[in-house]
Amino acid sequence: DTEVTQTPKHLVMGMTNKKSLKCEQHMGHRAMYWYKQKAKKPPELMFVYSYEKLSINESVPSRFSPECPNSSLLNLHLHALQPEDSALYLCASSRKPTDAQEKLFFGSGTQLSVL
Amino acid sequence: SQQGEEDPQALSIQEGENATMNCSYKTSINNLQWYRQNSGRGLVHLILIRSNEREKHSGRLRVTLDTSKKSSSLLITASRAADTASYFCATVKETSGSRLTFGEGTQLTVNP
Repeated sequence: DTEVTQTPKHLVMGMTNKKSLKCEQHMGHRAMYWYKQKAKKPPELMFVYSYEKLSINESVPSRFSPECPNSSLLNLHLHALQPEDSALYLCASSRKPTDAQEKLFFGSGTQLSVL
Repeated sequence: SQQGEEDPQALSIQEGENATMNCSYKTSINNLQWYRQNSGRGLVHLILIRSNEREKHSGRLRVTLDTSKKSSSLLITASRAADTASYFCATVKETSGSRLTFGEGTQLTVNP
């Protein structure tokens, strides 16, 4: 199984809603990532989890709250988002957090629209 | 700021032609990777070239790396309509560990 599965594929939420994005992989990878991608732009790193611990937070606003319950699961909790947060949210994983030679495996993303 | 910048931003060619995309970066790197993204989908890893390598091949893909010029190129030979996608270079800085930074990308359209 070489898949990273993200749910839901599409999400529409209001600015007062609370929602969560989910990501799952069963490749035994110990690094997991959240990226944000606006239309026609490159992905931008948000968070990195290494061995289930948050290792990188790229100064992301607190309305985005990541969680890594175990080595296979990664969540992104959303609360009080703004319309400018509308984007494709991509989850990725790699084998070893500290190995710079690792390639990333990406999920298909969650297309988020904030109204 | 983005570590990698790519040109051209958009490239349109006919099937069977070769496509060349270029990537430039600013700081010393551990490796450089190329990814492909179909519209609205996740990214797929294509090839990784280490900082001590100059050229790498994978099927119809050829990647070069010139660390003195801080640049890389991706060549797709004998292109097919199915190659239509966005192509991103991504760099890993020497000291960044797992922080992969993507360039602006090239939108490739291969016309049948």
